[in-house]
Amino acid sequence: AQSVAQPEDQVNVAEGNPLTVKCTYSVSGNPYLFWYVQYPNRGLQFLLKYITGDNLVKGSYGFEAEFNKSQTSFHLKKPSALVSDSALYFCAVRDVAGRRALTFGSGTRLQVQP
Amino acid sequence: EPEVTQTPSHQVTQMGQEVILRCVPISNHLYFYWYRQILGQKVEFLVSFYNNEISEKSEIFDDQFSVERPDGSNFTLKIRSTKLEDSAMYFCASSRDRGGGNEQYFGPGTRLTVT
Repeated sequence: AQSVAQPEDQVNVAEGNPLTVKCTYSVSGNPYLFWYVQYPNRGLQFLLKYITGDNLVKGSYGFEAEFNKSQTSFHLKKPSALVSDSALYFCAVRDVAGRRALTFGSGTRLQVQP
Repeated sequence: EPEVTQTPSHQVTQMGQEVILRCVPISNHLYFYWYRQILGQKVEFLVSFYNNEISEKSEIFDDQFSVERPDGSNFTLKIRSTKLEDSAMYFCASSRDRGGGNEQYFGPGTRLTVT
């Protein structure tokens, strides 16, 4: 069975500071990894994904994530946070050889203070 | 930019009633999904649909649930006899093709409240 852990319910950061939202995963084979963001009353918006290749992937709105196979992690990062980045962030995984359905983490609320 | 749309945004129904949640996936996408999120809990997979048939389903997707693509644009989720525990946000999603690395695009959700 595959699973995702987002150990922090909430992350607080000051505007202009770097941010990290943590994600670790468990799959039996190789993973496809995704980050989504949810703003109030909106659906899940795709941010970025790791399929293969370079461990550092870049996505929308200046976000990036680093795939670390040995630590089974896929942390989301941004060098300089904006107040508008405040939202709920979800990490998701699927096994390359497994079913297509995504397994989501519980979400991390990012609060960026002015 | 193309978007997945869902209607209604909020549905209130009485226990035991049937509800149909509607979705219009992105037009050139081939894979369609339903997920749900009970308040305060994780987003959970329900079912995926490809080539006019169910591709995968979770243990949540029991006989009271069904999906249909009645025409070339709509994708529906029917709950035959709603229960209180079906109250949740239901998200529709679509992805472009069979490639497993293709991201899924989600709609804004339908909030289902069963009273």
